[in-house]
Order: sequence, then C-alpha cells, then structure tokens
Amino acid sequence: EPEVTQTPSHQVTQMGQEVILRCVPISNHLYFYWYRQILGQKVEFLVSFYNNEISEKSEIFDDQFSVERPDGSNFTLKIRSTKLEDSAMYFCASRMQGVNTEAFFGQGTRLTVV
Amino acid sequence: AQSVTQLDSQVPVFEEAPVELRCNYSSSVSVYLFWYVQYPNQGLQLLLKYLSGSTLVKGINGFEAEFNKSQTSFHLRKPSVHISDTAEYFCAVSGFSGGYNKLIFGAGTRLAVHP
Repeated sequence: EPEVTQTPSHQVTQMGQEVILRCVPISNHLYFYWYRQILGQKVEFLVSFYNNEISEKSEIFDDQFSVERPDGSNFTLKIRSTKLEDSAMYFCASRMQGVNTEAFFGQGTRLTVV
Repeated sequence: AQSVTQLDSQVPVFEEAPVELRCNYSSSVSVYLFWYVQYPNQGLQLLLKYLSGSTLVKGINGFEAEFNKSQTSFHLRKPSVHISDTAEYFCAVSGFSGGYNKLIFGAGTRLAVHP
C-alpha cells in the first residue's frame, strides 16, 4: 500500500541552525501539507501546498519557515534558524485531487532543538 | 472558521468494556469529519471518516462514529475495547476551502485500556 515517508525520523539540532525535514508524498497526490505536534499538545496545521505554491498557511508558519517541492517526488520543510520552541513532531500529509479525499500522514519527524 | 472540542482528555476503561470518545465541532460551512489514532511514538492513522451519506460510519478495528448535525457532534464508539486500543485519539474537521481542505484537530483523548 502506498504511504507517505518522512526522513529523518529524529533530528537533533542546535538553536539557530537550519534544518530541512523531508517528505515523499504518495505519487499521484496533488495536495501536500505540514502539521506539527508539540509534545503533549494537539496537532496543528502549518501549511498547505498545491500546484507548486503555498495555498494556505497558519500564523505559526512565519518567515522562518519555507516549503519546497524541488523535484517530482520530494516535499521539504525548512526552518531557517531554529528556536527551542520549534521542538515538536512534524507530520507531512498528502491528498489526491477532489474534495472528498482523505489525507494520508507520514510517521513524522521528531525535531529536538537544544 | 472551524474548531473541534474533545471533551475528555483521558478516558480509562477496562478491557472488553464499551467506550465512547466525545467530539463536538463548530463550523459555518459543511464539514467533513475524521477520527485519527496515534499509537505511542507513531504517526497518525485514519480510523474513519464522514464525508456524506449515512450518518453512522464504520472504521477499522471495530470503531464506529455517528455524525449528528443538530448536535454538531461526531462521537467515536467501540462496543468492546482491547488492550491494544490504548492510544491517543484525535477528532478532526475539514471544510471546503478552495479545495485545500486543511484539517483542524481537537486536543486529543488518551484512551487507556486496563486489564
């Protein structure tokens, strides 16, 4: 069964460093998302991406964040200068065309900023 | 704007007992509703979804949920739980927003099944 894959599963980085979280969505999907979950809290929407551009972003998704689909398969989330409060589990999700389709989530990347 | 309220942060239950996890939502537009499960140290797995049609939806692992539009609820039920159902359960809502359909999640309910 096709699945969304995320790498790495766990990333530890020093405050102020740049990190890139990688995702490979399901191949025929067209909508891509990043969510994050701070430990013990709810899952929060960060950004949606369609047709090679951001379609919607939340207040969390400030200038420190960016997303890119550099080729036909990868979808990346970059945090330019990490802060301690960026420590969280980051989930990538993808969805097919159509309003009635469900999002499939990856296993997540646990980012720890020290 | 949409929002989701999960009324119980934790639900302890004994094995083989029935369980109901409550979810209420608010939205100014038609919604799609979902329940996701997160096992310890794992990602989000879809349990079931309501998009349209029958208000009683059945999902994986013996779970079901009923969409009640008048009460704006989408409670999750299982008639007999197993130890392996111990996990975090998230209710989520999605409305049509130009096709992008972001999910808004509730705070989650931790189901703890005891022997």
